[in-house]
Amino acid sequence: DVKVTQSSRYLVKRTGEKVFLECVQDMDHENMFWYRQDPGLGLRLIYFSYDVKMKEKGDIPEGYSVSREKKERFSLILESASTNQTSMYLCASSSLAGGHNEQFFGPGTRLTVL
Amino acid sequence: GENVEQHPSTLSVQEGDSAVIKCTYSDSASNYFPWYKQELGKRPQLIIDIRSNVGEKKDQRIAVTLNKTAKHFSLHITETQPEDSAVYFCAATYFGNEKLTFGTGTRLTIIP
Repeated sequence: DVKVTQSSRYLVKRTGEKVFLECVQDMDHENMFWYRQDPGLGLRLIYFSYDVKMKEKGDIPEGYSVSREKKERFSLILESASTNQTSMYLCASSSLAGGHNEQFFGPGTRLTVL
Repeated sequence: GENVEQHPSTLSVQEGDSAVIKCTYSDSASNYFPWYKQELGKRPQLIIDIRSNVGEKKDQRIAVTLNKTAKHFSLHITETQPEDSAVYFCAATYFGNEKLTFGTGTRLTIIP
C-alpha cells in the first residue's frame, strides 16, 4: 500500500520566516510533486521532480523552491513566507512504470502565514 | 500547455438521483483522463480513469465518457449516496508525461 506522508498537518508561521515542508514516500516512486489547493482554484502545481536532484517548475513556482536529495524525500521551501502563501499544500508521488500514471497524495499541510 | 476546464463548481443532488460533472481539455495530444475524489479533510484519491482508445468506462455506479472530437469527458454517478459527497477533480495528460493538469474541482453534495 502506497504511503505518502507530510511532516505537519497544520503549521503557523510569521511573515518573512523560512518555511520547510517535507514529504516522504515509501514506494520507490521516481516522480514527486508539490501542489497548493485553494478554494475555486483546484490543485495547482508548484514544482515537481522526476529524479533525485532534478526539479522542474510547475505553474506557480514564484516564491517557492524545492530540494530532492534522496529519492523518497521531496521538500518545499518558502524562502520568506508571505500572507498570500496561506494555503493547503499537498504532496504527491507517482511512477510511470507499468504504464500507469496514478498520483498518490499525502494528507496535506495547512499553512497559515500571519 | 494543457488547460482543463471543469463544470459545475458546485452541484447538489437528491440522494438516489444521478450526478454529472463535465470537463473540457485543450491539448489534442492528451490521451489519459483520470478522476480524483477528495472527501472532506482527506487526500485526493483516484476513483476512475479512461484512456483515449475507449469512449466509455464503468465501475459499479461510476462511469466516465470521453468525446475526443469535442475534447470533453464527463463523470457520471448513478444512484447517489451520502458517501458520494466530496470534491471531484478531473485531469488530463498524455502517456509518458509525469504531470497531470487538473480541473478546478466540483463540490458535490448529496441531499438525504
